[in-house]
Amino acid sequence: GAGVSQSPSNKVTEKGKDVELRCDPISGHTALYWYRQSLGQGLEFLIYFQGNSAPDKSGLPSDRFSAERTGGSVSTLTIQRTQQEDSAVYLCASSLPGEGPEQYFGPGTRLTVT
Amino acid sequence: DQQVKQNSPSLSVQEGRISILNCDYTNSMFDYFLWYKKYPAEGPTFLISISSIKDKNEDGRFTVFLNKSAKHLSLHIVPSQPGDSAVYFCASQSYNTDKLIFGTGTRLQVFP
Repeated sequence: GAGVSQSPSNKVTEKGKDVELRCDPISGHTALYWYRQSLGQGLEFLIYFQGNSAPDKSGLPSDRFSAERTGGSVSTLTIQRTQQEDSAVYLCASSLPGEGPEQYFGPGTRLTVT
Repeated sequence: DQQVKQNSPSLSVQEGRISILNCDYTNSMFDYFLWYKKYPAEGPTFLISISSIKDKNEDGRFTVFLNKSAKHLSLHIVPSQPGDSAVYFCASQSYNTDKLIFGTGTRLQVFP
């Protein structure tokens, strides 16, 4: 079946602009996660959705970052007033709770803030 | 505060030999440990996991060992193949949170 998809695959934006990143999880997966990977670093957790609710937002680095999920499916991560330190690969993952700890990742969106 | 550490940034192994990738953790409350493989410009791919109540899990050429007293886990790949060349991340998960905490990765190169 189809895996996790993300769009766009690459995004270049000017400092101060807003960006929206999209994630389409595996069909039927109720849990959805956003992570980011900065250059030379491991993956850093941002936010977790169960259905349309976000019980864990602890990884969002500032109030410029927000995310929503609608219909228990597609999620959008929004970064307002982008800064150069926001440059990273943003990865989305989904899972089906109760079927093991593994999360399935999309290909990521590479964000470059100039 | 880095809860999951991969102290070797890179490893080079000859084809057919064993690759051993290591990971250390600090939080004894982790329930599961996972290994992911990542190729450039792709998302991480799940490889194998182990529950904290076990000390070994095997899946084909991949075996993960867990030493809870040392807070250490390792991934063994036998025999190593050139297609195994990638960055390998270990990750941990606590029972009360679904988020994964990742190490910084080890780049494995398997040469002929």
